[in-house]
Amino acid sequence: EAQVTQNPRYLITVTGKKLTVTCSQNMNHEYMSWYRQDPGLGLRQIYYSMNVEVTDKGDVPEGYKVSRKEKRNFPLILESPSPNQTSLYFCASGRTGLSYEQYFGPGTRLTVT
Amino acid sequence: SQQGEEDPQALSIQEGENATMNCSYKTSINNLQWYRQNSGRGLVHLILIRSNEREKHSGRLRVTLDTSKKSSSLLITASRAADTASYFCATGPRNTDKLIFGTGTRLQVFP
Repeated sequence: EAQVTQNPRYLITVTGKKLTVTCSQNMNHEYMSWYRQDPGLGLRQIYYSMNVEVTDKGDVPEGYKVSRKEKRNFPLILESPSPNQTSLYFCASGRTGLSYEQYFGPGTRLTVT
Repeated sequence: SQQGEEDPQALSIQEGENATMNCSYKTSINNLQWYRQNSGRGLVHLILIRSNEREKHSGRLRVTLDTSKKSSSLLITASRAADTASYFCATGPRNTDKLIFGTGTRLQVFP
C-alpha cells in the first residue's frame, strides 16, 4: 500500500531534550516536506527536500533540522525543543516539483512541557 | 508570510445544499491545489488546477481559478454529511518549490 508513515504518532517531552520524528514513504517520491499545524494558522512548511542530499527552508525553519540521506526517509530533528514547538506535525511526499499532489502522513502530535 | 486565506472560516449547511469556499493568495503561482482534512488527520488531495486553467471538475467538486484576482473557489455540490471536514487551498508560488497553505475552511454538513 502506498503510504507515508510517521513515528511516533504522539510524543510528550520536556524542554531541551533532543528528539527525532521519523518520516518514510514507499512511493519513490523525490519531494518530501514537513509541516506544522497550529489552530488558526493552518499548515506552515518547515523544511522541504527536492531529492537526496537537497534540503531547503520553508516558512518556519527555526529550531528544526532535517536530513535526506535516503530517498525514502526524511527525519525531522528538534535539537532543543521548546514549548512553542508544541504542535501537530505532518510529513508529506510527492513527485518532483509541485505539479503533483502531495501525500500526507497521519501526523505526530508533539507536546513540549 | 505568503499564506493564502480561505473564506469563510467556517460554513454550516444542510445535506443536499452546495458549499462554496474561496481562497485568495498573494503571489504568482504555478498551480493551486485543494486538500481535505478530517479532524486531526492527514490531509488528502482533492484536486489540482494549473495556472493556465480556469476551471476543473472532479465528481461533485468544481474548482475555478482567477489568476488576475489571485483567487480560487471550491464548490461541492449536493453535499453529504461525510463531506464534513476542513478544506485547505495550497499554492505553489512561481520560482520556488515551497507549498503555501491557507488557514482553511471548516465545513459542517448536517444530515
